Amino acid sequence: DIRMTQSPASLSASLGETVNIECLASEDIYSDLAWYQQKPGKSPQLLIYNANSLQNGVPSRFSGSGSGTQYSLKINSLQSEDVATYFCQQYNKYTFGAGTKLELK
Amino acid sequence: EVQLVESGGGLVQPGRSLKLSCAASGFTFSNYGMAWVRQTPTKGLEWVASISTGGGNTYYRDSVKGRFTISRDNAKNTQYLQMDSLRSEDTATYYCARLDNSGNYFDYWGQGVMVTVSS
Repeated sequence: DIRMTQSPASLSASLGETVNIECLASEDIYSDLAWYQQKPGKSPQLLIYNANSLQNGVPSRFSGSGSGTQYSLKINSLQSEDVATYFCQQYNKYTFGAGTKLELK
Repeated sequence: EVQLVESGGGLVQPGRSLKLSCAASGFTFSNYGMAWVRQTPTKGLEWVASISTGGGNTYYRDSVKGRFTISRDNAKNTQYLQMDSLRSEDTATYYCARLDNSGNYFDYWGQGVMVTVSS
């Protein structure tokens, strides 16, 4: 099975800062990747699909990129409402990364 | 507005059964594949099972094959997860999720329901 390794496991950033979260697949996943945001006590919400397509209603400060085995989620101009845990998910057998917990500094 | 509302969770003894329901609204239920995803602090998010639009095709993760059964009633806009022979490792929050049109990712999630397997 394809393994998804997310990094970092946690990070602390300041308001207005740019944040990058990485996801590494154990083999080429051909951009078959989605990103989710899960706020404390809530269910996950889709942010990005097909590695770089923004889901309807998601702020444009979120963006996804990558190819092959390496993918990233970028958050520009961090807002307080972005405090959450972020997960990547590859499409084959719907495997998720372990998550990155984002906190405010 | 898409809404997915789970019910049926609770505390159950190992080896017993539990049936989860997910009531859908705000979209044409019969046009979308559906799934169950569970989450624990230790294992994170795990896809459990999914079902095609008409219910004719079902898929399961290896650890629940033969014990869990996913089904749907398109007339009632509801999907189900019948969980038999429950184990302590099935303890988790279970989410109902809608699959996108290509069946690749989960574009809407319910609020989740807790299942605790313990004696």
